[in-house]
Amino acid sequence: AQKVTQAQTEISVVEKEDVTLDCVYETRDTTYYLFWYKQPPSGELVFLIRRNSFDEQNEISGRYSWNFQKSTSSFNFTITASQVVDSAVYFCALSAPALNDYKLSFGAGTTVTVRA
Amino acid sequence: NAGVTQTPKFQVLKTGQSMTLQCAQDMNHEYMSWYRQDPGMGLRLIHYSVGAGITDQGEVPNGYNVSRSTTEDFPLRLLSAAPSQTSVYFCASSYSGLGGTGELFFGEGSRLTVL
Repeated sequence: AQKVTQAQTEISVVEKEDVTLDCVYETRDTTYYLFWYKQPPSGELVFLIRRNSFDEQNEISGRYSWNFQKSTSSFNFTITASQVVDSAVYFCALSAPALNDYKLSFGAGTTVTVRA
Repeated sequence: NAGVTQTPKFQVLKTGQSMTLQCAQDMNHEYMSWYRQDPGMGLRLIHYSVGAGITDQGEVPNGYNVSRSTTEDFPLRLLSAAPSQTSVYFCASSYSGLGGTGELFFGEGSRLTVL
């Protein structure tokens, strides 16, 4: 079985603050992929990143950064110097191709509100 | 670029009515899927298809039917709508499995309310 837990339901910050979204996953597979998606108020789902289980390097893309730690089964996401446009629901997701190459298991999502 | 197109965007049904959510993609993707999004539960896979003529169940398939007669289209049918099917539905496609290219392209969603 595979499971993704996003314990933070809602986070509210003031613009320019940093915000970290937690994601903890469970899978028995040694090969798996982790994803983050953003869902802005308009409702579409926007792909942010995919990371495979063999690559534990942290990644930075502009104000976004991701911290993957297999030892704690976590794939956390940090927004640096948040902006109002970052307000959205963020989903962490997991796929384990050996079980099913076509299924994404999503966490419940974290709603981020950035106040001006 | 059309990408993944879902229709309708909004629909209100009465209990027991039937309807079809349409999904079409123009990227020649083999893999297509339907998810439903409910508050506090993220997205859950309903059905998926790995190519024309091939479909399989996801984690919440009850009450839904699918077929895949062409590469481009993957309609989702509700045969007898129930209030528990009130949700936002997303269609998604990808060139290959998630272990391959790894990115799912999502449609804009269809909000369904069953009274």
